[in-house]
Parts: sequence; structure tokens; C-alpha cells
Amino acid sequence: SQQGEEDPQALSIQEGENATMNCSYKTSINNLQWYRQNSGRGLVHLILIRSNEREKHSGRLRVTLDTSKKSSSLLITASRAADTASYFCATRGGFKTIFGAGTRLFVKA
Amino acid sequence: GAGVSQSPRYKVAKRGQDVALRCDPISGHVSLFWYQQALGQGPEFLTYFQNEAQLDKSGLPSDRFFAERPEGSVSTLKIQRTQQEDSAVYLCASSRSRVDINQPQHFGDGTRLSIL
Repeated sequence: SQQGEEDPQALSIQEGENATMNCSYKTSINNLQWYRQNSGRGLVHLILIRSNEREKHSGRLRVTLDTSKKSSSLLITASRAADTASYFCATRGGFKTIFGAGTRLFVKA
Repeated sequence: GAGVSQSPRYKVAKRGQDVALRCDPISGHVSLFWYQQALGQGPEFLTYFQNEAQLDKSGLPSDRFFAERPEGSVSTLKIQRTQQEDSAVYLCASSRSRVDINQPQHFGDGTRLSIL
């Protein structure tokens, strides 16, 4: 089954607030990726962080990685209604990409 | 178009029927993945192709599931003798290089399969 676990499962915030999602994984990794999925659509790649990196930024996104704890977090700053989506972390094991169960984010306008 | 295209977008079949789901990856992409996504869950890996070679099919749930990519571009996922538990969204993704190069995957919008 899935390797990653996201926390929380669901998150509801007001527009302008920050949203933090956490991901834990089980095995050693070379990198970890975050994806977003809007309802009824495919996943969209957001950001990749390598195992030798501790933090990475892309626009309003900030990702951290703690390989000693096998965990990662995704922070979305100054959230917008358009950020409403499900967010998944993903790791690779061999040829497989393994996704967590996701965090469902709802941003209220 | 420039993205990954999947067809049909929706498929309804009666239990026991065979179905075929098509994926057109981004032109020139080496890697192609199929996933199964149950409602409220993350995608579950089914199989991986590097060009026309199926290098990992460990995620296929049973021998009723079969995937091919004969010319290294378009791929078809076939499910024989469908069961109700096969109802899910089937996602296809492609990436530019071999899987070990860790390129982002580009996803299609999926085929929503409902088995009655």
C-alpha cells in the first residue's frame, strides 16, 4: 500500500492564512516531490526536494525535509481560494512512485 | 495538445465486460506510468514503461489487468472481466527521462471507470 502519510487529512483556512501540510515516509529516499490535484483533474507537480537539501522555496511554497525523521512539510503562504485542492507527497522506490493519501485543503474566500 | 491525454474520460461497463483505457503521453517522453486512484485516496502505482519496455508491473492487482506500449508512445491499459472493485479513476503520467533521473511526472486527467 502507500508509503507516505499526510497530516492533516483535511484543512480548512481563510484566504490569506498560511497552510502547512506534513508528510511522513518509511524508507530512505533520493528526493521527495509534492503534487497538487484539483477536483476531477490529474496531478500537477509543485516542487522537488533532494535528500541533501533541508529547505526549498518556490513562489509561495516552502518545503522542508528532515531525513532523520523521514518527514517533509509543505507550507503555502498567503493562501488563495485557488489553492483549494488535494496535496500529495511522493517518493520513489525502484521504478515505483509512491504517493501518500493526501491532505485536502479548502481555502475560504 | 501539449499535455498527456487520456480517453475516454468516463467509462461505464457492466461487471464481466472488458475495457480498454488509452493514454497519449507527451511526445518524446521516455517514461510512462499508470496509477489507480480510489475516491479520497492517493494514486496507487500500477505499472511503469521505459519506452516500449514494461519494467515494473508489480502494482497490477490481478492477471485481469494488462498494459502495453508497443511503439513506445501510446499506451493502453486493459481490464478483462471487470469487477465492481475495479471502479476507480485510472491516471496516466509521463516524464521526459528514465525514472531514475527523477523528472517531474505530467499527468492526464484520468479515466473514471464505473463498473455496474
